[in-house]
Amino acid sequence: NAGVTQTPKFQVLKTGQSMTLQCAQDMNHNSMYWYRQDPGMGLRLIYYSASEGTTDKGEVPNGYNVSRLNKREFSLRLESAAPSQTSVYFCASCTIQGMGEKLFFGSGTQLSVL
Amino acid sequence: EDQVTQSPEALRLQEGESSSLNCSYTVSGLRGLFWYRQDPGKGPEFLFTLYSAGEEKEKERLKATLTKKESFLHITAPKPEDSATYLCAVQPSGNTPLVFGKGTRLSVIA
Repeated sequence: NAGVTQTPKFQVLKTGQSMTLQCAQDMNHNSMYWYRQDPGMGLRLIYYSASEGTTDKGEVPNGYNVSRLNKREFSLRLESAAPSQTSVYFCASCTIQGMGEKLFFGSGTQLSVL
Repeated sequence: EDQVTQSPEALRLQEGESSSLNCSYTVSGLRGLFWYRQDPGKGPEFLFTLYSAGEEKEKERLKATLTKKESFLHITAPKPEDSATYLCAVQPSGNTPLVFGKGTRLSVIA
């Protein structure tokens, strides 16, 4: 079972470059999330999509945009990367928002911005 | 504002040395409290859900408990394979995403 698939696993960018992180889930989940994880900061929510066709800002949305392409896919775009966006990014999905016991995470994307 | 605070930040135990991790929370109406385990280089994996004060859940060497203000993850006779970061999260009332704590990094030394 694939679960939540994130691509790429590693990426190095120069300041000002743009890129899109891809996420796809094969569990027919309604809700999808993008988190970043930094040492000492825990998991912080960037954006989420409670259901297909909707997106909302999380705790740290500045510098990011998202697209819920369809029920399976939720992408995160950095338009002009900054060193402060160096982090590990996790995508997650859930049957219904709030069902923490059904929250599944991808394996992460390690992003470095030089 | 909904908040989750985990302590300690890091814990180093000898194999077999039991201990507890703490998760204190302030939330506008608790719908659920969740514990996750995260291994290096991987995403978090679900461990337990607790819904009401007094509830307890057990899995192998782990037991999670819940009061009105905090949750504990008790680890009995830990083994090196229990080494991981343990994350606590709460589900506030309303249709909002989970709020995560910063985690406790556990190291169990043989």
